[in-house]
Amino acid sequence: QVQLVESGGGVVQPGGSLRLSCAASGFTFSSYGMHWVRQAPGKGLEWVAFIRYDGSNKYYADSVKGRFTISRDNSKNTLYLQMNSLRAEDTAVYYCAKDHIVANLDYWGQGTLVTVSS
Amino acid sequence: DIVMTQTPLSSPVTLGQPASISCRSSQSLVHSDGNTYLSWLQQRPGQPPRLLIYKISNRFSGVPDRFSGSGAGTDFTLKISRVEAEDVGVYYCTQATQFPLTFGGGTKVEIK
Repeated sequence: QVQLVESGGGVVQPGGSLRLSCAASGFTFSSYGMHWVRQAPGKGLEWVAFIRYDGSNKYYADSVKGRFTISRDNSKNTLYLQMNSLRAEDTAVYYCAKDHIVANLDYWGQGTLVTVSS
Repeated sequence: DIVMTQTPLSSPVTLGQPASISCRSSQSLVHSDGNTYLSWLQQRPGQPPRLLIYKISNRFSGVPDRFSGSGAGTDFTLKISRVEAEDVGVYYCTQATQFPLTFGGGTKVEIK
């Protein structure tokens, strides 16, 4: 069955960096686009970034453009999110989610918490 | 960006009774390929979101048939025919017709 396991969250100071990982299994990772979606404490969902199956195209929310970078290693079945210049408003649970050509966001990981605080 | 507006914010429902959630988009969600990429997600307390409905009305694998989706263009509805205790949570509509993907603010379904 499809499994997505995020890791790499933690506490970081404003202006700091963090790299999140999402290990995928149970499907052909190299055939599907992948998303990062975040959820601030007690708030709704916010889409962060998307990468196509082969890494050829990437899209970002305006709120993270220029600070976050999405990437993937299809040989390791792993998705990444490099987060730089972190701000307090980036504090959230970060989920990776699988894309599907018609059923977008069809599978989600359990999430990893990122806290930006001094 | 496409703005997704959900109503109501909260929906107290008696067990076994129906529930309905509306979602309106600020512009048509019909893609140039003819499809409408409107989905519904369920988030139970303490859990990640889960896909319920995709392309307006298609139930995802394992989703009970008491959940149904309808609508077109800019107006969409999620219905639960008979609410069960396990349906408690927050429901989100989301569009993937264009980037950035956007979500409604969520509707909390709770038992009266």
